[in-house]
Amino acid sequence: RKEVEQDPGPFNVPEGATVAFNCTYSNSASQSFFWYRQDCRKEPKLLMSVYSSGNEDGRFTAQLNRASQYISLLIRDSKLSDSATYLCVVNIYDDYKLSFGAGTTVTVRA
Amino acid sequence: NAGVTQTPKFQVLKTGQSMTLQCAQDMNHEYMSWYRQDPGMGLRLIHYSVGAGITDQGEVPNGYNVSRSTTEDFPLRLLSAAPSQTSVYFCASLKGQGVGGYTFGSGTRLTVV
Repeated sequence: RKEVEQDPGPFNVPEGATVAFNCTYSNSASQSFFWYRQDCRKEPKLLMSVYSSGNEDGRFTAQLNRASQYISLLIRDSKLSDSATYLCVVNIYDDYKLSFGAGTTVTVRA
Repeated sequence: NAGVTQTPKFQVLKTGQSMTLQCAQDMNHEYMSWYRQDPGMGLRLIHYSVGAGITDQGEVPNGYNVSRSTTEDFPLRLLSAAPSQTSVYFCASLKGQGVGGYTFGSGTRLTVV
């Protein structure tokens, strides 16, 4: 079983729509959680950390459910520029070593 | 600040050749790591370093060596390239334990023929 699993998508949504997707992790001792964004053929960039109480950053909302071992990302009022692959990242062992999901692809169409 | 700089951006090697992928950061980050990214598999950790003079293996270390003689530089050496090492390689750095997220370099696209 992979340590971090994501629905690969793609999620194809119109501009202005809301899109949400989850990521599950296998190690209940995981400590830190992040969402990264990766554009085609580019490096991953930190989108946001995920906190236990949930958190927002503009149109992006992240949630953590420790009991069911998943994190979620919701994008409101989708923009064309939101088209990317979103990587779920979990600290499995310690704060230095992170495990990456394979990514969820989102395509926003005009 | 330049952040994390990787060179080269593209490389084609023949099977059996060796080469070094360069990574440098100018943010005085303690932690540096190398990942490879293959389609459908996510990023996998090759080697990492928690400070100058200290390195350790990640999930997929075979066929690769690293060294960390300075805080700034963390080169990755391919000892004898194999087609299975065709991948995109990312170097990343982190300021310290629990401090923010990783900063990635722009990647090196390596093809081994």
